[in-house]
Amino acid sequence: AQTVTQSQPEMSVQEAETVTLSCTYDTSESDYYLFWYKQPPSRQMILVIRQEAYKQQNATENRFSVNFQKAAKSFSLKISDSQLGDAAMYFCAYRSANFGNEKLTFGTGTRLTIIP
Amino acid sequence: NAGVTQTPKFRILKIGQSMTLQCTQDMNHNYMYWYRQDPGMGLKLIYYSVGAGITDKGEVPNGYNVSRSTTEDFPLRLELAAPSQTSVYFCASSYLGQGADSPLHFGNGTRLTVT
Repeated sequence: AQTVTQSQPEMSVQEAETVTLSCTYDTSESDYYLFWYKQPPSRQMILVIRQEAYKQQNATENRFSVNFQKAAKSFSLKISDSQLGDAAMYFCAYRSANFGNEKLTFGTGTRLTIIP
Repeated sequence: NAGVTQTPKFRILKIGQSMTLQCTQDMNHNYMYWYRQDPGMGLKLIYYSVGAGITDKGEVPNGYNVSRSTTEDFPLRLELAAPSQTSVYFCASSYLGQGADSPLHFGNGTRLTVT
């Protein structure tokens, strides 16, 4: 079974600065997807960014980018120019690309605080 | 599109009562999921469905039942509610298919308290 580990329960960053959230995962599969989801106090789950394992290029969405290290099974999220609206819980998630096993497995989350 | 709609938003149950959490999606997604989120924890999969008439257990299925009679609806049934089922429940859906897939779309969650 796949596992996802987020070793930083809480992080904080000054507004406009850059912060990196860590995520590692364990799998024996070669083809899979990785995601970062954001959960603000409203409780809504919002997709931030997604990475396909077969793509070597790191995904980028505006101020959000990932550092995907497949051999190390590491998938960190970098938030540049942090804004107050970035304050939330961030969850890393793994999904197999194998048919019949497409369940999403989540890490325990990192609570990000933005300091004005 | 309304996306994924969950009802109710909040519910308080007494121990031993039963209830059904409703979930419907209007995106014609084939996959639907139920997750629970305990305080300070990530989401754990309860049940999921790959299409109408097909359901399967996730990590924590005990105490729950599901059905998928239509593509749109995926209700979660709690029988004999217990305090351990106090949690926030999320329904989600996605489209997974040959050459195309979508990320999970989540409902806004149901906060359930069992006392």
